[in-house]
Amino acid sequence: EAGVAQSPRYKIIEKRQSVAFWCNPISGHATLYWYQQILGQGPKLLIQFQNNGVVDDSQLPKDRFSAERLKGVDSTLKIQPAKLEDSAVYLCASSPGTENEKLFFGSGTQLSVL
Amino acid sequence: AQKITQTQPGMFVQEKEAVTLDCTYDTSDPSYGLFWYKQPSSGEMIFLIYQGSYDQQNATEGRYSLNFQKARKSANLVISASQLGDSAMYFCAMRPSNDYKLSFGAGTTVTVRA
Repeated sequence: EAGVAQSPRYKIIEKRQSVAFWCNPISGHATLYWYQQILGQGPKLLIQFQNNGVVDDSQLPKDRFSAERLKGVDSTLKIQPAKLEDSAVYLCASSPGTENEKLFFGSGTQLSVL
Repeated sequence: AQKITQTQPGMFVQEKEAVTLDCTYDTSDPSYGLFWYKQPSSGEMIFLIYQGSYDQQNATEGRYSLNFQKARKSANLVISASQLGDSAMYFCAMRPSNDYKLSFGAGTTVTVRA
């Protein structure tokens, strides 16, 4: 079974530039999550999709962050414009969407904003 | 809102010995799931073990066991017979049964010494 795919693996940009991350969840998984993990901290949920609808985006900085899930499969997370404090690892995860199922994580995208 | 506390930022353990990682949580939800994930230096989050709040027995998965004390809101992870490959960051996480949002603690770094 293929895992959660994320790209790129690393990204370095200057502040005020734009950046986009891509995630392909495990086939058939209804729920997709984007987490932000700042160095030395636990992951923080940014947005959660159920199929192609947003379930929770309460911690997404909507003035600069946006996300979409195309046709309920792939997802893209965008930051525009980036700030220094956005430097972090962005983790994508998916789950079948049933109660108490574990999440499967991708390897993450490490973003450095200079 | 859920809060997960991991008070040990870092721990050292001798190879072949056991180590206990502490996790306490705070929730008003009557039903929830508790998870432990391992994050090696490669960055991927690896699921280790799951405990449901109504499970009568403590969960075990190979060398991993969970010491679940519901009244104390504690879900400590025990790793037995530590191996060098166990060196990683370990995260405790919790999800209420009525939604799919998984919240993480700050993590504990484990270093296994030969």
